[in-house]
Amino acid sequence: KQEVTQIPAALSVPEGENLVLNCSFTDSAIYNLQWFRQDPGKGLTSLLLIQSSQREQTSGRLNASLDKSSGRSTLYIAASQPGDSATYLCATQGGGNKLTFGTGTQLKVEL
Amino acid sequence: IAGITQAPTSQILAAGRRMTLRCTQDMRHNAMYWYRQDLGLGLRLIHYSNTAGTTGKGEVPDGYSVSRANTDDFPLTLASAVPSQTSVYFCASRTGAGELFFGEGSRLTVL
Repeated sequence: KQEVTQIPAALSVPEGENLVLNCSFTDSAIYNLQWFRQDPGKGLTSLLLIQSSQREQTSGRLNASLDKSSGRSTLYIAASQPGDSATYLCATQGGGNKLTFGTGTQLKVEL
Repeated sequence: IAGITQAPTSQILAAGRRMTLRCTQDMRHNAMYWYRQDLGLGLRLIHYSNTAGTTGKGEVPDGYSVSRANTDDFPLTLASAVPSQTSVYFCASRTGAGELFFGEGSRLTVL
C-alpha cells in the first residue's frame, strides 16, 4: 500500500526566502506525482504535474523535482511571498488509477 | 472558466436525512472522484467513476452512493446521514494526462 509523507507538517519563513517542501512515497511504481496548494476553506489547486518519465517541472517561481528511485519529490519555491501562505499537498498516481495524498505542509510566509 | 461546480457550499443536516451533493464539470473529463477531507486524516476517496456509466468504490464508501448518468454530472448521495459524515466533501475530475482538478468543496454538518 502506497504511503505518502510530507515533512514538516508546518513551516514558517520570512518573506523573500527560498524554500523546499518535501514529499516521500514508499512505492516507486507511480505514473505521476502532482503538487497542489490549498487555501483555508477552499479546494485544491493544481500547481505542477510530473510524469514518471520526467525529472522536474517548472512554473514561474515553482520547481518540482521527482526521483522515483529514492521515492522523493521536492517543491522549490523561490523568493517566497506572503501570498504563498497555504497548505501544500502532494499526491501520487499508481496502478488502477489509485491516487494517494500526503497530509500536507502548512506554509506561512511572514512579512 | 467554470471547471468544477459543487453545490451546496455548506449545509447543516439532521441525522437520518437524505442528502445529495451535486458536482458538475464542463471540461469533458472522463474520470471523476469524490473525496472527504477531515482534520488529521487528509483526503480519503469515497467513490470514483472512470467514465460515464461506470462507478467504483474508494477507501471509505459505506453510507454513500454515486451515479454517473453522463460525463458532466457526478452526484454523491448520503442515504441516511450520520454525525460521522460531518466533513468537507470535494469533487474532482482528471485529465487523460493525469492532472486533477478540484471543486471548492461542500461543507456538511450532520447533527
